[in-house]
Amino acid sequence: DQQVKQNSPSLSVQEGRISILNCDYTNSMFDYFLWYKKYPAEGPTFLISISSIKDKNEDGRFTVFLNKSAKHLSLHIVPSQPGDSAVYFCAANTQGAQKLVFGQGTRLTINP
Amino acid sequence: DVKVTQSSRYLVKRTGEKVFLECVQDMDHENMFWYRQDPGLGLRLIYFSYDVKMKEKGDIPEGYSVSREKKERFSLILESASTNQTSMYLCASRVYSNEKLFFGSGTQLSVL
Repeated sequence: DQQVKQNSPSLSVQEGRISILNCDYTNSMFDYFLWYKKYPAEGPTFLISISSIKDKNEDGRFTVFLNKSAKHLSLHIVPSQPGDSAVYFCAANTQGAQKLVFGQGTRLTINP
Repeated sequence: DVKVTQSSRYLVKRTGEKVFLECVQDMDHENMFWYRQDPGLGLRLIYFSYDVKMKEKGDIPEGYSVSREKKERFSLILESASTNQTSMYLCASRVYSNEKLFFGSGTQLSVL
């Protein structure tokens, strides 16, 4: 059972425009959400997170939105840059749980 | 900065061989994890450890075992490698109760 789903395997965006990556979850007990970015042949690196007590968190060009009623979160990147081309994973956690649950990933390509 | 080091970037092994993947972290983290990444499947948890000599099965433990004799080191063992274990293996660690994971660079294992 896939508790965290990223339904778009890939996304292509023009440089300078907004990139929106989406993630859906099924477990209403999840209370902390993270986004990771992964380049080929490297490990994932933490990008941004959000607690379930918030609906938005912003860090520079990156903003994560959480809609708890829809069990949906999204990552907005604006403006998109070529260096943003990577695979993005969303992940979810329950307070006190030992493990993160990851989505399948979305490959973002930024075109010049 | 946290450093998670995986001993090999690339490994090629033959079917039936016993394979050891080593991971070392330098930040005194309590929790350590082994994931594998496969296209379209995201990151799947194999095993994790929340303390020395403690281990818990993740979502796909079959065919794998782990060892954590020292806090900084977490080893993944493939008792008898099979071709369906060809994958990118990622080690991660975190401070207990802190949900952010720090990943190593990964080991791309090919089993022929």
